[in-house]
Amino acid sequence: GENVEQHPSTLSVQEGDSAVIKCTYSDSASNYFPWYKQELGKRPQLIIDIRSNVGEKKDQRIAVTLNKTAKHFSLHITETQPEDSAVYFCAPFRGANNLFFGTGTRLTVIP
Amino acid sequence: DGGITQSPKYLFRKEGQNVTLSCEQNLNHDAMYWYRQDPGQGLRLIYYSQIVNDFQKGDIAEGYSVSREKKESFPLTVTSAQKNPTAFYLCASSFTFREMYTEAFFGQGTRLTVV
Repeated sequence: GENVEQHPSTLSVQEGDSAVIKCTYSDSASNYFPWYKQELGKRPQLIIDIRSNVGEKKDQRIAVTLNKTAKHFSLHITETQPEDSAVYFCAPFRGANNLFFGTGTRLTVIP
Repeated sequence: DGGITQSPKYLFRKEGQNVTLSCEQNLNHDAMYWYRQDPGQGLRLIYYSQIVNDFQKGDIAEGYSVSREKKESFPLTVTSAQKNPTAFYLCASSFTFREMYTEAFFGQGTRLTVV
């Protein structure tokens, strides 16, 4: 299956600062790149995604950038708020019959 | 009200017992997945299914079994062969069309505890 790594595994930032999480994958055929957020005790939910024909996508304070050549994509959160504290997962997908998630990044926003 | 529903929310199992976790979706999704999540850990794929009557093992299928008799339903059985079943179990579904993929929707999870 896909080899997916996320860095860093934990990240602490001051409220108002920016946070960046990187996801590295191995399968060059991957064509869909989502990020999921999981709050404590809850289910993961999609927060932003990008397809392989686009390099960057932004939605208010969050953005995703894709570098297909280097096989990585990143989640950017600006003006962080305490409610951004959660675990974030990437799940690069190539249209096959499976769905593998990255190892997760625990983000803590310090008020 | 469309969505994906898991039941029960909490489940207690005695050692040596089999238990079945329910997962139902009314989103008309073809693909369904089961994941296990241990405290502070990521999501590990147990089984997945893309069509009715077909399913494939994920990374940690040993001690688990599934069925896919209906498009809407993908129950997971945790058998007595699973030596450490205490965990949070998540079911997910997604729409696939011609190798294209959309977001996965998750159920609220089942927390299984062995007593």
